[in-house]
Amino acid sequence: GAVVSQHPSWVICKSGTSVKIECRSLDFQATTMFWYRQFPKQSLMLMATSNEGSKATYEQGVEKDKFLINHASLTLSTLTVTSAHPEDSSFYICSAGGHYNSPLHFGNGTRLTVT
Amino acid sequence: KQEVTQIPAALSVPEGENLVLNCSFTDSAIYNLQWFRQDPGKGLTSLLLIQSSQREQTSGRLNASLDKSSGRSTLYIAASQPGDSATYLCAVRLISGGYNKLIFGAGTRLAVHP
Repeated sequence: GAVVSQHPSWVICKSGTSVKIECRSLDFQATTMFWYRQFPKQSLMLMATSNEGSKATYEQGVEKDKFLINHASLTLSTLTVTSAHPEDSSFYICSAGGHYNSPLHFGNGTRLTVT
Repeated sequence: KQEVTQIPAALSVPEGENLVLNCSFTDSAIYNLQWFRQDPGKGLTSLLLIQSSQREQTSGRLNASLDKSSGRSTLYIAASQPGDSATYLCAVRLISGGYNKLIFGAGTRLAVHP
């Protein structure tokens, strides 16, 4: 089945630094990638939709300058949390899909802790 | 604005029971609906995808139905097992012009005890 690889699985960083999270589709071309944030015992909150070769579409309330998304190829999207603060600590999950009729597949998530 | 609701929020059942998880959505103009499973601290595993033109999909002990006009979907789990314990999430795909989103419900936390 389709595999989405997300890296790193966990990261601890100091306040003020930037962290990059990678999301790769390993055996299919992902025209669309979604980035989500999940707080403990809550559902997934959509942050942005990333289409290959174009700018990401951010959800209301998500700072595009703080959460930089790049989808430069059909198999890779990155999320960079810039100038991270403790309130950015969360579980970030990416999802990738090919044709709209195909199921979306998720990475295993990245646990970010900002100290 | 599309809202997705899942009922119940939590469910605890003895092993062997058949159970139904419910998902409702406010805007029927969905492209498809997908059910996922999430284990604690993990990513999501896709269970079933139902296109807007379909009524149901089956995979093993799982059966998902879709009534698009009434904005409802159900996930039926037959003969539940302790290994089925997880959070089950439904999500609707919205595609219109340049609009492309996957919106999740809050999930149903399922515990199946031996």
